[in-house]
Amino acid sequence: SAVISQKPSRDICQRGTSLTIQCQVDSQVTMMFWYRQQPGQSLTLIATANQGSEATYESGFVIDKFPISRPNLTFSTLTVSNMSPEDSSIYLCSARTPGAYEQYFGPGTRLTVT
Amino acid sequence: GENVEQHPSTLSVQEGDSAVIKCTYSDSASNYFPWYKQELGKGPQLIIDIRSNVGEKKDQRIAVTLNKTAKHFSLHITETQPEDSAVYFCAASNQGAQKLVFGQGTRLTINP
Repeated sequence: SAVISQKPSRDICQRGTSLTIQCQVDSQVTMMFWYRQQPGQSLTLIATANQGSEATYESGFVIDKFPISRPNLTFSTLTVSNMSPEDSSIYLCSARTPGAYEQYFGPGTRLTVT
Repeated sequence: GENVEQHPSTLSVQEGDSAVIKCTYSDSASNYFPWYKQELGKGPQLIIDIRSNVGEKKDQRIAVTLNKTAKHFSLHITETQPEDSAVYFCAASNQGAQKLVFGQGTRLTINP
């Protein structure tokens, strides 16, 4: 399995600002993903963070709004840019280890935009 | 693309009874079906999974069954305990696509 940590665990931000969320995995992983979970809802995939290349975004999510970095096999960041109250959500990082089907999740970052 | 439907949205059972949550999927190419438990304020925790080459898998009090023909799979929890109270999510994945698609979630409450 993989142990995943995220920073910050929560934040309250003002409209129009940006927040960068960090995700650290305790072992090298092949795939890293970023999800959004709106209050009381299910998980929606934002993008797959690719090591050494641009992230692959899902329909409805764009790089200008959610830029992602993955500089190595254990670390990724997600930035939520030019925030509005509609961006208030839990943002979750997840990862898969090499050769495995299983996907593990971090504890999430709870973002409130005022 | 894949679509996963999960039922019921809420489930309340007496402690010691069994709980069953059901999911259906649309993409016949999906071949991996995990279940996650999410407690309040925490990230989803993988509790059990099944691949398309088996019909049932059990781990202590939890089990998952898969019917590929009907494209549905279920989570069974026996001898429920208060600590089983949480939101449960099913998901499906085509390992070629490597992306998980989640169901809507079931809020399970165990009444003492």
